[in-house]
This record gives sequence, structure tokens and C-alpha cells, in this order.
Amino acid sequence: EIVLTQSPGTLSLSPGERATLSCRASQSVSSNYLAWYQQKPGQAPRLLMYGASSRASGIPDRFSGSGSGTDFTLTISRLEPEDFAVYYCQQYGSSPRTFGQGTKVEIK
Amino acid sequence: QITLKESGPTLVKPTQTLTLTCTFSGFSLNTSGVGVGWIRQPPGKALEWLALIYWDDDKRYRPSLKNRLTITKDTSKNQVVLTMTNMEPVDTATYYCVHRTGAIQNFDYWGQGTLVTVSS
Repeated sequence: EIVLTQSPGTLSLSPGERATLSCRASQSVSSNYLAWYQQKPGQAPRLLMYGASSRASGIPDRFSGSGSGTDFTLTISRLEPEDFAVYYCQQYGSSPRTFGQGTKVEIK
Repeated sequence: QITLKESGPTLVKPTQTLTLTCTFSGFSLNTSGVGVGWIRQPPGKALEWLALIYWDDDKRYRPSLKNRLTITKDTSKNQVVLTMTNMEPVDTATYYCVHRTGAIQNFDYWGQGTLVTVSS
């Protein structure tokens, strides 16, 4: 099973700042099938990115994804108040599908 | 508009079997590429994929839980059912039903989730 390690565990930033979240896989993710989800307290996760760099429907362009193989990054160019949440990466290139442990983006 | 909703018991006793139902609308589980899966999240912890059933009745399970899980579909009722046997306190979690689209081969829509507590 592919283990995904996210860093940092917590990111403390101010609105308007840039956020860079990392997701490292224990082995290469097939076809770069790497997704990012956002989860707010008491809510289900929301799909942000798929295929490492494609935005899901309705996701603002301040969110971008990059990477390939074992190293992937989610970047939020300018944090809006509604972006403070927990972010999970997920690989779906091989079974079982696995998730990272999450990165919490909190207000500094 | 795709929606999914989970239903089932909120409290089960250790050793009991959990049965959860996902009732969905806005898509057909007869459509090529479509699937419905289950993902859980223990309180304060990360997400864990459990099972997935495809339009063609192909089924996939998390290997570590395969012996305890069964996923089935009833396309006439637009429902998918997950059963998990021999429940333990560590199985306490919010259980989510998810839609898998063939377009991106991944989960795009999630149900609101249902919290299941395992306790005597």
C-alpha cells in the first residue's frame, strides 16, 4: 500500500499569504493520480484537485497543484478566510486508495 | 445534481454487524465508469477508504478489512449497502458514501456522513 506523508502538520498563516502544502508518496503514484481535498469542521471533504494539477469544478484558480512521481504540492496563492481548513492528499492510482494524514491551515 | 445520503445505526455493540445504506440521486449506477464507495474517518483522525462497487458489479475492498466487509448495490432503489462484521470500538468513525466518476476515475461527490459509535 502506498503511504502518503503530508507536511507540515500545521501551517499558521495570515489571510492574503501564500500556502504551500506537501504530499510525499512511499512509491511512485501511477499516472499521477493524486487528488487534494479540503475539509472544514463538521463537513465532508470537498474535492479540490485531481490528476495532480487539474482543478475540480467550481474551484477558484488561487488553488493549484503540481508534482509527479512521489512528490506533490498544493499551493494556495492568496489565502482567503474560507480557506482555513484541513487538506488531505489521496492517491487513486493503485489499490488500496490511500490518504495522507492531513495538513491543517490555521489563522496566525 | 448528485446527492448521496448515508443511513444506519448511530450506536452498535462490540461484535455486532454494522449495516449502512447509501441512497443516492442524480446519477445511475448502471452508467459505465460510475462507482459508489465508502470512506470512514475516526474522530480527529484521517480518512480511510473501505470499499468500492462499480457499475459492472466489480467490487474492491481495503485488504486489511476485506474479511469483514461486503458491499452490494440495488440499482432499482438507487442504493448501495455496506456491511461490516465484528465491530470493535476502534471502528467508531464517521462513515461517508462517495460517488466515483469515470471522467476522473476518482471520488467527486460525498455524502454528509454518519457517525457510528461502537460501545457496549
